[in-house]
Amino acid sequence: DQQVKQNSPSLSVQEGRISILNCDYTNSMFDYFLWYKKYPAEGPTFLISISSIKDKNEDGRFTVFLNKSAKHLSLHIVPSQPGDSAVYFCAAVGGSQGNLIFGKGTKLSVKP
Amino acid sequence: GAVVSQHPSRVICKSGTSVKIECRSLDFQATTMFWYRQFPKKSLMLMATSNEGSKATYEQGVEKDKFLINHASLTLSTLTVTSAHPEDSSFYICSARDRGKMNTEAFFGQGTRLTVV
Repeated sequence: DQQVKQNSPSLSVQEGRISILNCDYTNSMFDYFLWYKKYPAEGPTFLISISSIKDKNEDGRFTVFLNKSAKHLSLHIVPSQPGDSAVYFCAAVGGSQGNLIFGKGTKLSVKP
Repeated sequence: GAVVSQHPSRVICKSGTSVKIECRSLDFQATTMFWYRQFPKKSLMLMATSNEGSKATYEQGVEKDKFLINHASLTLSTLTVTSAHPEDSSFYICSARDRGKMNTEAFFGQGTRLTVV
């Protein structure tokens, strides 16, 4: 049973437009969420995180929104650039030792 | 930011042999490291949690005798795939979090692509 879900396996966006990547979770005890970017055959790279005490966190072109009542978070990238093309993973901190629980990822393609 | 180094990045081995993957935190101490495995077009799945100086905690379905984990110091954890089979071919990634900073980003190694022939 997946606790972190990314229901869109892929997303295609035109350069300069906004990319919106969505993530849902089922466990209301999760209180810290992270987004990672991953290129093929490389480890994930941290992008941005958000604590459950906030509903928004912004870092440059990246903004993460958290809706606790809906158990939903989203990553907005604006403006999108071709170099943003990668797989984006949503993760929640879970487990007694703080391991990450990942969604299946969304492959973002930004077309020039 | 903090750096986690994983080595080797790619390895090909014969069936029946063992392969060791190293994961080092370069500029911070990590009492806990995590080992993940990624199957094609799937998410990162936690295999085990490695604790410095104690036995690793394995996730359900992961064979502890096959995937040996040793966390000998605060900066090094190793994963040894013993008696490798072709179905062990996968992408293995380690992760570490800075000691005492539980609710912060976890840093990942570069990953190891294991191919068993």
